[in-house]
Amino acid sequence: GAVVSQHPSWVICKSGTSVKIECRSLDFQATTMFWYRQFPKQSLMLMATSNEGSKATYEQGVEKDKFLINHASLTLSTLTVTSAHPEDSSFYICSARFSGRAWNEQFFGPGTRLTVL
Amino acid sequence: TQLLEQSPQFLSIQEGENLTVYCNSSSVFSSLQWYRQEPGEGPVLLVTVVTGGEVKKLKRLTFQFGDARKDSSLHITAAQPGDTGLYLCAGFYGQNFVFGPGTRLSVLP
Repeated sequence: GAVVSQHPSWVICKSGTSVKIECRSLDFQATTMFWYRQFPKQSLMLMATSNEGSKATYEQGVEKDKFLINHASLTLSTLTVTSAHPEDSSFYICSARFSGRAWNEQFFGPGTRLTVL
Repeated sequence: TQLLEQSPQFLSIQEGENLTVYCNSSSVFSSLQWYRQEPGEGPVLLVTVVTGGEVKKLKRLTFQFGDARKDSSLHITAAQPGDTGLYLCAGFYGQNFVFGPGTRLSVLP
């Protein structure tokens, strides 16, 4: 399957700082990437859809000024958590849509564990 | 209400047993995917089913897409501890993927 990477795999930061997470599709071009958040023992919660060259589409209840998404190229999307607080601590996972076949598939990165102290 | 329901939510079985997990919806999907996620990692794509009635096998795992493309099942034969994880189904609906809440499987040695 297609490969999606995330960096960093984990980060610990102080409250009030900003953290940037990168998501890259390594062997295919992804016009659409997705950012999810996952709390322990729960399923994935879609935060936003990131489209190359345009503004991200945020899900209801997700603050776009707090979670800044940039999709500057066909292989890179970034999520910046601004002024992070302890309640932002979570597992953040990106995915990329692969449209190389007759149907759409989605491949996930390995996730980034964010801990805000 | 969820667009996709999964059952059971939790399942704990002994090594060697067989099991089936279900993914159900009242909506029709153009494709449906199954993922397995282990703690601290991202979901890994297991299979994509596209055609109604389609059956795909991946070693001890058998996936079936319902005739009406509204539901799917995953059957595991002779489960092993390595099968432990969160199993997620996701359907492509409209322009996006919709995820079920997952089935958390624990296979005890």
